[in-house]
Amino acid sequence: DAGVIQSPRHEVTEMGQEVTLRCKPISGHDYLFWYRQTMMRGLELLIYFNNNVPIDDSGMPEDRFSAKMPNASFSTLKIQPSEPRDSAVYFCASNSRPGGLIKNTGELFFGEGSRLTVL
Amino acid sequence: ILNVEQSPQSLHVQEGDSTNFTCSFPSSNFYALHWYRWETAKSPEALFVMTLNGDEKKKGRISATLNTKEGYSYLYIKGSQPEDSATYLCAFMGNFGNEKLTFGTGTRLTIIP
Repeated sequence: DAGVIQSPRHEVTEMGQEVTLRCKPISGHDYLFWYRQTMMRGLELLIYFNNNVPIDDSGMPEDRFSAKMPNASFSTLKIQPSEPRDSAVYFCASNSRPGGLIKNTGELFFGEGSRLTVL
Repeated sequence: ILNVEQSPQSLHVQEGDSTNFTCSFPSSNFYALHWYRWETAKSPEALFVMTLNGDEKKKGRISATLNTKEGYSYLYIKGSQPEDSATYLCAFMGNFGNEKLTFGTGTRLTIIP
C-alpha cells in the first residue's frame, strides 16, 4: 500500500519566491496534518483538515503561509513570499478517527517530508 | 502553549543494555499520548497510542507506561540493538475540543555496538 506521498523531497529557492509543497494522503484517511520540523522547535503543527475542511490553522506562522485541500486525495502548503527563516522540513501526515471514538486519537502516518531551503 | 518535555535529550547505550526515557506532559485535561520512533532520513512511525491511566503497551523489546495523574510516560527498551538507534518522540493530546497532537522535542538514542 502506498503511504503518504509528499513532493518535492527537496527544494532550494531564493528569498521572495513562491514555494508550493504537495501531499497525497493515504486513501481512505479523512484527516490530514501539516507539520514543520526545525532544530529549535521540533515538530510543530501548522494546520489540519478533516474531510477536506480546515479545522485549526492556529499554527500557521503568518499570512505568507496558506494551505488548501481541494479534494480527499490532495493538499498543498504554499509559502509566498518565502523567507530564509522558513527553511525547515515540512511533513504531511494523515489518519482516520478510530471507530467509536469521539476524538481522533489515531496514530499519524507521516510522509517522508519536504526539505525546504530558502537562500 | 503546552509543555511536553522529553528527557534526556540524547542517550548513548551499549548494545545489549536496557534503557528508558521520559515524557512529561500536563496532568490536567489529558486525552491521549502517542510514542513515535524516527530514524534518520525516514519519517516518524507510531509505536504506541495510550489513553488510560496505568496503560502499559508492548511491542517486542519496547514497552511504554502511562501515568496521567502525575503527567508522565516512560518508554523502555530491553536489550538494546543497533537498529534501535533513532529519535523517540512523544506527543500529547489534551481534552480541549480539538484533535491536535503536541510533540516533544525527542530523545535521540544511539546504540554503541
